[in-house]
Amino acid sequence: GQQVMQIPQYQHVQEGEDFTTYCNSSTTLSNIQWYKQRPGGHPVFLIQLVKSGEVKKQKRLTFQFGEAKKNSSLHITATQTTDVGTYFCAGPSDSNYQLIWGAGTKLIIKP
Amino acid sequence: GAGVSQSPRYKVAKRGQDVALRCDPISGHVSLFWYQQALGQGPEFLTYFQNEAQLDKSGLPSDRFFAERPEGSVSTLKIQRTQQEDSAVYLCASSFHNSQPQHFGDGTRLSIL
Repeated sequence: GQQVMQIPQYQHVQEGEDFTTYCNSSTTLSNIQWYKQRPGGHPVFLIQLVKSGEVKKQKRLTFQFGEAKKNSSLHITATQTTDVGTYFCAGPSDSNYQLIWGAGTKLIIKP
Repeated sequence: GAGVSQSPRYKVAKRGQDVALRCDPISGHVSLFWYQQALGQGPEFLTYFQNEAQLDKSGLPSDRFFAERPEGSVSTLKIQRTQQEDSAVYLCASSFHNSQPQHFGDGTRLSIL
């Protein structure tokens, strides 16, 4: 069945270092969405990418959608403690009403 | 309200009891989703409503789980004869339309003793 794979599962960084998470879909996606879940919180929508090759920025966060619309990445420059949480990608299912979620990448700031 | 509201925030029940979890979506949102999230895992799809119609319930783990949205707004997820493996956070999300960005409630943390 349709799958969305996300790596790595965890990333430990020093505050100030960069962070990247990668998302790969088994099928071409009409769009890809990114969510952030803080510890103890619920997923919060960050951004949606629709166009092939699209790049969007939100302050220190850069989101990319691949040319084939099957992969995506989120890059955070100079991480801060407020960035801690789990980042999920999600894409519409073949039926187009359900989102297929990646397993998430947990960003951990080393003490 | 402005966001998705879920109640209760926390629910403790004894094994074998029935529980009901409520979700009040954002006004005007056609789509409503229920997810189950275990600790350290991503949201697992349970069921989906488009207005009052339950279009997909393929993620419900057993026939002990039942969801409804009778008037196309508030939804209730009911779990009968709860088991310990039902312990999880149950998230509700709504969106304006199919596959559009989803807005989540704070979830209900269910603990079965």
